[in-house]
Amino acid sequence: GAGVSQSPSNKVTEKGKDVELRCDPISGHTALYWYRQSLGQGLEFLIYFQGNSAPDKSGLPSDRFSAERTGGSVSTLTIQRTQQEDSAVYLCASSLAGGGRSETQYFGPGTRLLVL
Amino acid sequence: AQSVTQLGSHVSVSEGALVLLRCNYSSSVPPYLFWYVQYPNQGLQLLLKYTSAATLVKGINGFEAEFKKSETSFHLTKPSAHMSDAAEYFCAVSQSGGSYIPTFGRGTSLIVHP
Repeated sequence: GAGVSQSPSNKVTEKGKDVELRCDPISGHTALYWYRQSLGQGLEFLIYFQGNSAPDKSGLPSDRFSAERTGGSVSTLTIQRTQQEDSAVYLCASSLAGGGRSETQYFGPGTRLLVL
Repeated sequence: AQSVTQLGSHVSVSEGALVLLRCNYSSSVPPYLFWYVQYPNQGLQLLLKYTSAATLVKGINGFEAEFKKSETSFHLTKPSAHMSDAAEYFCAVSQSGGSYIPTFGRGTSLIVHP
C-alpha cells in the first residue's frame, strides 16, 4: 500500500471490554512498532517486531496488552479488560529493515481509543 | 542510555517570524537524531534526520536543524513561519549499537498566529 494504515480510526468501548487494533505496514517493511500517545506525554513505546525474530515486548505496560504479527505483515494489538487509563491514541509505525538505528519510521494515522 | 528533552510544550510565533524548537539529547555514543511532525489527526512524518554526515541538516517545508555536539543539541529552525506549520513536533534519538527503538521527546506544539 501507499502508507501505513490502521483500523479502526476511532474506538469507543466500555471499561472491562476487550479491544483489537489493527495495523497494516508498508509492503516490504520488516520492522513494525506500536506506540501509545497520551495527551502531553509524547510517544510511549509498546512493542517492536523485526522479521521472524521474537518481538521486543519491553514496553507493554501490563499483561492485559498483547500483540501479534501474522505472516510478517499485519499486526494486531489487543487490550484485554480495558481500563479508563488505556484511553489514548495508538500509533503503528513500520520501517524498511529495522536493522539500522538511523532508519526512518513511517507512521499510520493512529487509532483513538476511548474507554468509558 | 539515551534520552531527549524538548524545552517548551508550546511555542507561539507570528506568521513570518522565526521558528525555533529546542531539543537536547543525552547519548553515550554518537547519536542519530530525528525531527518528526504530526499534523492534527495524522500520524508522524519525518522532517529531517542527522546521521553523522553534515551537521546542518535540511528537511522538508523549509525546516533545518543543526547538530551541536558540544551543546548536545539539535534545535529545529525555520526562517519564516507559515500558518500551515502549526502542528506537534517531536524530537527523537537513537544511538549506533544501541536499541532499535528510538526515544521520543514529549513534543512541542507550534502555534502560528496570523
